[in-house]
Amino acid sequence: GAVVSQHPSWVICKSGTSVKIECRSLDFQATTMFWYRQFPKQSLMLMATSNEGSKATYEQGVEKDKFLINHASLTLSTLTVTSAHPEDSSFYICSAPRSGSGSTDTQYFGPGTRLTVL
Amino acid sequence: SQKIEQNSEALNIQEGKTATLTCNYTNYSPAYLQWYRQDPGRGPVFLLLIRENEKEKRKERLKVTFDTTLKQSLFHITASQPADSATYLCALVPNQAGTALIFGKGTTLSVSS
Repeated sequence: GAVVSQHPSWVICKSGTSVKIECRSLDFQATTMFWYRQFPKQSLMLMATSNEGSKATYEQGVEKDKFLINHASLTLSTLTVTSAHPEDSSFYICSAPRSGSGSTDTQYFGPGTRLTVL
Repeated sequence: SQKIEQNSEALNIQEGKTATLTCNYTNYSPAYLQWYRQDPGRGPVFLLLIRENEKEKRKERLKVTFDTTLKQSLFHITASQPADSATYLCALVPNQAGTALIFGKGTTLSVSS
């Protein structure tokens, strides 16, 4: 089946630093990718939709200047958490629909990145 | 307000029994509803998708139903096994173009041998 990878799988950083998380579709192209955040025992919450070649679309309440998204190619989207604070500690997960035509396709999720901000 | 709810946070059953998980939604008109499995510290894995004009879908020991009148989906695992222990998430695609999945909180299933 389709594979989506994330790197790193786990990162610990100091407060105030920036962290970049990569999401790659390994065997298919994705013009759209989605970034989610999941706190313990909570649902996945959509943060933003990453669009190849154009600006990301952010959900209400998500600061676009804090969570920078770049969809540089059809197989790579990056999420940069800028000036991270302890409250940004969470599990960040990306997903990509297989045919790239939008949300009605089956989505393939990455394994997630655990971010801990000290 | 719009909500998607999975009524049970946790469900404990014995091996061999059928597990039934419930997903209810409010103020959505979803074109699709999907079920995912999530293991601790991992991303969700797609299991089944059911469309608004389908009443039932099966895949091996899994069965999903979709009742748009009740605004409810049921997810069944028959002949459950300890390996089925995980968190199961329902997710819907609102009937709007370009919108990503909206997830329920999940139900954590524990199957004891």
